[in-house]
Amino acid sequence: EAGVAQSPRYKIIEKRQSVAFWCNPISGHATLYWYQQILGQGPKLLIQFQNNGVVDDSQLPKDRFSAERLKGVDSTLKIQPAKLEDSAVYLCASSLRPGGRDTQYFGPGTRLTVL
Amino acid sequence: QQQVKQSPQSLIVQKGGISIINCAYENTAFDYFPWYQQFPGKGPALLIAIRPDVSEKKEGRFTISFNKSAKQFSLHIMDSQPGDSATYFCAAISNTGNQFYFGTGTSLTVIP
Repeated sequence: EAGVAQSPRYKIIEKRQSVAFWCNPISGHATLYWYQQILGQGPKLLIQFQNNGVVDDSQLPKDRFSAERLKGVDSTLKIQPAKLEDSAVYLCASSLRPGGRDTQYFGPGTRLTVL
Repeated sequence: QQQVKQSPQSLIVQKGGISIINCAYENTAFDYFPWYQQFPGKGPALLIAIRPDVSEKKEGRFTISFNKSAKQFSLHIMDSQPGDSATYFCAAISNTGNQFYFGTGTSLTVIP
């Protein structure tokens, strides 16, 4: 079974630039999550999708972050414009069902450095 | 405000010893508590999880102890091995299933 795929693996940008991350979940997983993991901290949930609908995005900084999952499969997370404090690893995870009781499978993450 | 407090920040254990990591929470709306293991350059992987209606859950060398009244839970790794060297995160999930909070992580090093 293929795991969660993410790209790119690394990205370096300057502040005020825009950046987008892509995630392809495990086939058949209806629920998709985006997390932000700052160095030395635990992952912070940004947004949870169930198919192509948003279950929760209460911790997503909506003035600069956006995410979509148009066809209920792949998802993109965008930051526009980026700030220095956005430097982190962005993790995508998927599970069969929402609610957190099903095992979440994480991708390898995208490491973003904002200069 | 940190919803889940985790300690210690780092831990060094001899091979064969017991590793113990502790977590505490305040929000009684949390009702599912997973532990994750993360190796450098990889995403976290679920290790073991517990619901508050049980006080202990064991899977192989990994055991979660849960104290509902104290709002504390801990991970015990028995017979620790060098391959267990990783960062461990506790987490808490709300009963609505849409609030997830991770601890700050514990870096475990098992010395051969």
